[in-house]
Amino acid sequence: QVQLQESGPGLVKPSETLSLTCTVSGGSISSHYWSWIRQPPGKGPEWIGYIYYSGSTKYNPSLNSRVTISVDTSKIQFSLKVTSVTAADTAVYYCARGSSSHGGTFEIWGQGRMVTVSS
Amino acid sequence: DIVMTQSPDSLAVSLGERATINCKSSQSVLNSSNNKNYLAWYQQKAGQPPKVLIYWASTRESGVPDRFSGSGSGTDFTLTISSLQAEDVAVYFCQQYYNYPWTFGQGTKVEIK
Repeated sequence: QVQLQESGPGLVKPSETLSLTCTVSGGSISSHYWSWIRQPPGKGPEWIGYIYYSGSTKYNPSLNSRVTISVDTSKIQFSLKVTSVTAADTAVYYCARGSSSHGGTFEIWGQGRMVTVSS
Repeated sequence: DIVMTQSPDSLAVSLGERATINCKSSQSVLNSSNNKNYLAWYQQKAGQPPKVLIYWASTRESGVPDRFSGSGSGTDFTLTISSLQAEDVAVYFCQQYYNYPWTFGQGTKVEIK
C-alpha cells in the first residue's frame, strides 16, 4: 500500500527557507494530486498547495508568493519550499495524496514533520 | 476564502451515547450542476495525521464504521457518532473542497464523559 514520509530540518531560522521532501513508497506518483498541508499546534489544518504529477501546481494565496512545490517523478518524491519564514510558519507539515475519485479530499497522509522557526 | 466554523469546540459524551458535531460554511459548498456538497469530515487521534471519514457530506470512506454518519447541505452540516466508543476519542475537522483555497474548520474535540 502507498505510504508517504516527510523529511527535512526540524528547526529553521527566521527569514530563511523551509525545505521538506515527501517520499512516496508502495506506489506510483502518477495520476494523483500531491498536497502539502500544515497544522500549527492546537489548530486546524491549513492546505498549502498541490502539484499534479505532470508538474502543474495550485497554491493557497495566503502563502502564494513564498511557496514552491516541485515533483521528481524519477525519485518518486515531491518537495516544498517556503521562503522568508517567521514564527507563524511553525507547524506540523504533512504531505498527502489527493483522492482521484472525490478530488479535494486527502486520502493518504504522511506522519508529519514538526518544523519550528526560531533563532 | 470559505470560512468553516465548527461547534462546539469540545464535547464530552458517555460511552454508547450519541455525539453530534456541527460545521457551518461561510458560503454554500453545494454544486448545483451535480447536486454534490463538497464537504468532508476527518478524524485526528493524538499524535496522528487526520483520517478522512466522510466525503460528499454523507458518503463514508471505505472501512469507516457505520456509527459515523454525515448530513446537511448548502452551508450547514453535521457529523454524528451514533454510539460513542472509546476509540472515537479524537479531534474532528470538517473541510470544504468546493473552492480554492481548500479550507478546514478549527476542530471539535470529543472526549468520554
